[in-house]
Amino acid sequence: DAGVIQSPRHEVTEMGQEVTLRCKPISGHNSLFWYRQTMMRGLELLIYFNNNVPIDDSGMPEDRFSAKMPNASFSTLKIQPSEPRDSAVYFCASSTGQGIDTQYFGPGTRLTVL
Amino acid sequence: GDSVTQMEGPVTLSEEAFLTINCTYTATGYPSLFWYVQYPGEGLQLLLKATKADDKGSNKGFEATYRKETTSFHLEKGSVQVSDSAVYFCALSNSGSARQLTFGSGTQLTVLP
Repeated sequence: DAGVIQSPRHEVTEMGQEVTLRCKPISGHNSLFWYRQTMMRGLELLIYFNNNVPIDDSGMPEDRFSAKMPNASFSTLKIQPSEPRDSAVYFCASSTGQGIDTQYFGPGTRLTVL
Repeated sequence: GDSVTQMEGPVTLSEEAFLTINCTYTATGYPSLFWYVQYPGEGLQLLLKATKADDKGSNKGFEATYRKETTSFHLEKGSVQVSDSAVYFCALSNSGSARQLTFGSGTQLTVLP
């Protein structure tokens, strides 16, 4: 199994630009999670999908952030417009959505907003 | 709400030293407990888990026992290696929380040769 795939691995952009991060979960997994990791705030859950439906988006920092999961094999996290304080590593994780879940993390996207 | 508290880092040890990283939790009900490890430049990987009181999770020489009476899940390894240098995260999953993981702040471990 290829594991969780994220792209791009690194993104450098200028303030005000739109940024789109992509995630392909492990085949057969029904739950998908987006996290943000910074030195100051640690690992924060942004949003959680189950069967392609957003279940909890209370961690999304503000309206500039949006996430979609159009099908079981693809999700995006979009920031528009981006700001320097959005600089972080963004992780996608997936799990079976059943029983005692183990979440499998992707390698992350390191975002730098200048 | 649920929370996880880890010992402050960073932790620096010599190779073959004994490792303990403390983790305590606050949760309602009967959570499952996890240790994840993050190597430099990578995502988090599950290291071990325990799903009920007195369970012991183990993997790669690491162990942790689910202690409900002390609400703890301390990570231990008898003899660390340089390759164990990483950030270690304690986490819990509560069945009442839609299977979301609540993470501790992470503990940076550096093992010197």
